[in-house]
Amino acid sequence: DTAVSQTPKYLVTQMGNDKSIKCEQNLGHDTMYWYKQDSKKFLKIMFSYNNKELIINETVPNRFSPKSPDKAHLNLHINSLELGDSAVYFCASSRSRPGTQTYEQYFGPGTRLTVT
Amino acid sequence: GDSVTQMEGPVTLSEEAFLTINCTYTATGYPSLFWYVQYPGEGLQLLLKATKADDKGSNKGFEATYRKETTSFHLEKGSVQVSDSAVYFCALTENTGGFKTIFGAGTRLFVKA
Repeated sequence: DTAVSQTPKYLVTQMGNDKSIKCEQNLGHDTMYWYKQDSKKFLKIMFSYNNKELIINETVPNRFSPKSPDKAHLNLHINSLELGDSAVYFCASSRSRPGTQTYEQYFGPGTRLTVT
Repeated sequence: GDSVTQMEGPVTLSEEAFLTINCTYTATGYPSLFWYVQYPGEGLQLLLKATKADDKGSNKGFEATYRKETTSFHLEKGSVQVSDSAVYFCALTENTGGFKTIFGAGTRLFVKA
């Protein structure tokens, strides 16, 4: 059983299009994340949801909109795609106990987005 | 703000060589520290962790000790294998209920047979 899954694995699209990436975790975690990894492997947090509530919203263009329909799912919708959006996008999840400790994160396999 | 600095790669070693990847951090509080590994074409996976000073995390022959006095968490392995070739990320999370994990820039390791 895959712990954190993402679809699609590869996404090739043209500038100006709108696309979505889906993420699901079956670990029973209450916190989910979206990261962007550039070609130099630098990993940047974009968003985080805890119990379906947005708790981290980094400086990301508002063309990116996350949606968490329930604790097990976190989707990422991107409007008006640009060349600079080309990257690998990772979903992750973790347990957490507010006020005490955040546990390690479990990552999905990534979605390689190529904008032409 | 919090930050993680790790040695630049790539690091190229021969099989059975000793590995050290340096990692230092700055944090306002008392963080948990992690090493993640990313194999080609895959997502990151936890390699080891330590949650308090002087804790030693270990897994698959890799070790790292949480050194509060030097704010370091260096990764070591006594004898690397070709299968250890990957990108290694040092990371921290504050133990204040914060959900944000700060990752280092990653260090690519190549191990030659």
